[in-house]
Amino acid sequence: QSALTQPASVSGSPGQSITITCTGTSNDIGTYNYVSWYQQHADKGPKLIIHDVRSRPSGVSHRFSGSKSGDTASLTISGLQAEDEAQYYCCSYTTRSTLVFGGGTKVTVL
Amino acid sequence: QLQLVESGGGLVEPGGSLRLSCAASGFMLSDSYMSWLRQAPGKGLEWLSFISNSGTYSEYADSVKGRFTISRDNAKNTLYLQMDSLRGEDTAVYFCARDPTGVAITGRFEMWGRGTLVTVSS
Repeated sequence: QSALTQPASVSGSPGQSITITCTGTSNDIGTYNYVSWYQQHADKGPKLIIHDVRSRPSGVSHRFSGSKSGDTASLTISGLQAEDEAQYYCCSYTTRSTLVFGGGTKVTVL
Repeated sequence: QLQLVESGGGLVEPGGSLRLSCAASGFMLSDSYMSWLRQAPGKGLEWLSFISNSGTYSEYADSVKGRFTISRDNAKNTLYLQMDSLRGEDTAVYFCARDPTGVAITGRFEMWGRGTLVTVSS
């Protein structure tokens, strides 16, 4: 159960768009559309922002969008705002009927 | 009010055991697949285990398989995690989370508890 691969950090200026990638294999992201993304602010619990690759839960900003191509999923944050500064984690279902997370990406708003 | 509240964390010596509980309120636990996850200090999220809504099916991450056991008591609306043979690397905040689909585990954790800290140290 190797963790999904995410960049350690991504940064952008307010108003810009940034994309966080999450690379897996044919044993997880490449086979299933059960990819989710979580936002975690410092000293807070995780918050679901995307599930099933591209679906947003009620109340989550439209500035967050998800996609997938092959073994790689992506989270795009449009119109970056100061409040978006946080850790972001991807998660996927696997062929072993388990779940695996990425190592996390720290988003910094410059 | 819909919420999950974990309890049972604390300090335990290596090789020891601990049982965590996760009490649900405002909804029926039997409607959902439930999972335990953890986050070591300064580290990322790690999924540990899930259990089906009926309690008949469960799976585990390799890191805890054979040492941890997930269970649920739908009558008490409570989820459990029995942790045996604890190691230093099990030190973490442990969360329970609800996957609302009700028919499978998908990673769609819309509801989380606030977590309970487990420290494994002599």
